[in-house]
Amino acid sequence: NAGVTQTPKFQVLKTGQSMTLQCAQDMNHEYMSWYRQDPGMGLRLIHYSVGAGITDQGEVPNGYNVSRSTTEDFPLRLLSAAPSQTSVYFCASSFSTAGNTIYFGEGSWLTVV
Amino acid sequence: DAKTTQPPSMDCAEGRAANLPCNHSTISGNEYVYWYRQIHPQGPQYIIHGLKNNETNEMASLIITEDRKSSTLILPHATLRDTAVYYCIVRVEVGDMRFGAGTRLTVKP
Repeated sequence: NAGVTQTPKFQVLKTGQSMTLQCAQDMNHEYMSWYRQDPGMGLRLIHYSVGAGITDQGEVPNGYNVSRSTTEDFPLRLLSAAPSQTSVYFCASSFSTAGNTIYFGEGSWLTVV
Repeated sequence: DAKTTQPPSMDCAEGRAANLPCNHSTISGNEYVYWYRQIHPQGPQYIIHGLKNNETNEMASLIITEDRKSSTLILPHATLRDTAVYYCIVRVEVGDMRFGAGTRLTVKP
């Protein structure tokens, strides 16, 4: 049982480049979400999805796109990377019913130079 | 979502109980109290959650006041590995959970 898997673990981008952070879960969770965590700061919600075909914005959605074509996958796209997007990105998933726990991936360290 | 208030930092001696408070005076009847912690550089780790009753698991105990306006997370015998940021979150569902600043717990030898 792999849980929540994120790739890549480390990435360096140049300003203006695009890339996709991959996230997959094998627990048949309805909810998937992306967070970013800047140094010394708390986690902030970027985008989330309550099921395949449905996405919504979180606290800091600007500069990021998401899609949810399958239950298992929830990729995060940076269309034109900026230094302000240097951060650690965490993907998470959970069941949609109340009282469940949320499971996090191991994080993706992104540096934009 | 109900807003939570936690102290920014706390210290605890190794081997002693760590009691982390959380105020959530605007909690709704169907909202759960969730506790997570984050040990750098990992992602948040689930600790415990409860609705009305006190809860205990292998990691911690959760004490919720009768009016549900506050709660306390208890780590019964804190170790150095419990040094982390602890988040108290009040939600119904967790899928789009928001994390505040949390409490930075430092366990000292």
